[in-house]
Amino acid sequence: IAGITQAPTSQILAAGRRMTLRCTQDMRHNAMYWYRQDLGLGLRLIHYSNTAGTTGKGEVPDGYSVSRANTDDFPLTLASAVPSQTSVYFCASSDSGLAGVSSYNEQFFGPGTRLTVL
Amino acid sequence: GENVEQHPSTLSVQEGDSAVIKCTYSDSASNYFPWYKQELGKRPQLIIDIRSNVGEKKDQRIAVTLNKTAKHFSLHITETQPEDSAVYFCAASASPPPGRRALTFGSGTRLQVQP
Repeated sequence: IAGITQAPTSQILAAGRRMTLRCTQDMRHNAMYWYRQDLGLGLRLIHYSNTAGTTGKGEVPDGYSVSRANTDDFPLTLASAVPSQTSVYFCASSDSGLAGVSSYNEQFFGPGTRLTVL
Repeated sequence: GENVEQHPSTLSVQEGDSAVIKCTYSDSASNYFPWYKQELGKRPQLIIDIRSNVGEKKDQRIAVTLNKTAKHFSLHITETQPEDSAVYFCAASASPPPGRRALTFGSGTRLQVQP
């Protein structure tokens, strides 16, 4: 693995089904993020994690959950998919530097998952 | 929370001309402003960023300016080339530590460089 990867690349899902999007990074970044990208709306933050064991809600968290059991993995789960969750999902990671230090470093994005909910 | 507005939504220029994309933000605490380029079907990639302790930053044909008083920042691309055609996103981060460092994105500008 080099950088940040996502799986699956694309998925068509029936409404009401449960789905987990996977994200893995090997850069030892402490911060990870999930965004969704819809036409004309840019990227919107769903959930984030500053470090393993902690998560937080972003701008559009409803219908999604995340976990951060370790540094490398940050899965996103749709418990019961709805058509409005049709989107392209991007995972990202960054090295936020030393705890307590203001450090803004580049966010690296995964290749994305195209999800269609019918 | 932070709100970032980006204009124009589409921009068409002739090869060799300059392109300017503008963004405004709402949170005066924001102090990190990256710009991402996204080609069709690809992931966003950072092209330049600026922090609030500087007013301008340049990297070859790309420059970014920041006006903290007016809460706006701009991307300038000079001598545009067809390969500059893409969607460009501005973003802002308003997260002092130890809060989250997630980005709030503008809605994007589709730049088309005509050969």
